[in-house]
Amino acid sequence: DAGITQSPRYKITETGRQVTLMCHQTWSHSYMFWYRQDLGHGLRLIYYSAAADITDKGEVPDGYVVSRSKTENFPLTLESATRSQTSVYFCASSAGLAGVTQYFGPGTRLTVL
Amino acid sequence: KNEVEQSPQNLTAQEGEFITINCSYSVGISALHWLQQHPGGGIVSLFMLSSGKKKHGRLIATINIQEKHSSLHITASHPRDSAVYICAVMYSGGGADGLTFGKGTHLIIQP
Repeated sequence: DAGITQSPRYKITETGRQVTLMCHQTWSHSYMFWYRQDLGHGLRLIYYSAAADITDKGEVPDGYVVSRSKTENFPLTLESATRSQTSVYFCASSAGLAGVTQYFGPGTRLTVL
Repeated sequence: KNEVEQSPQNLTAQEGEFITINCSYSVGISALHWLQQHPGGGIVSLFMLSSGKKKHGRLIATINIQEKHSSLHITASHPRDSAVYICAVMYSGGGADGLTFGKGTHLIIQP
């Protein structure tokens, strides 16, 4: 199906474990983004990618790793999960930056125990 | 870090009322977005504007660049409009850092 998807939708893990959140888009958008959403904060940018093999840090990158070997996929890895990484994670994509709509995935609710 | 301020944080209104949600920002922007997040969590882009006014159905978004302020209006509000409305801005010269988001306005429309 066309659009942007995330998997899993829900994940419970334990402190110290590695977790990978997947994001896939079918529009061939060049830009992809990972955000986290927490109570009391707006959405905050973790990492973004301007194209395959080009990634850069956002506002809150510590503890996260990304890769983008293919245009359509942008996985986010928590190398050693911590309780502070309990959050809802949204992936988004867009054809450009300024003046362009971002399309959001459905989100992944991650709980770190 | 440049802030995006939204008001009110919470708003409860009766069906049919005219709703206004406000957004202010601190420096020059290239675009402002209004997003809607339903209770299920999904986020949808409602408007993107850099000047003037846009209308889509019962929703109207305006922006005043000089005053660094935008408003989202909902006419003839309906319970299905209940959602969190998020303002986000792309600051001029901000490069590829994505959007800066407000904390959202939680709107409840009671029947």
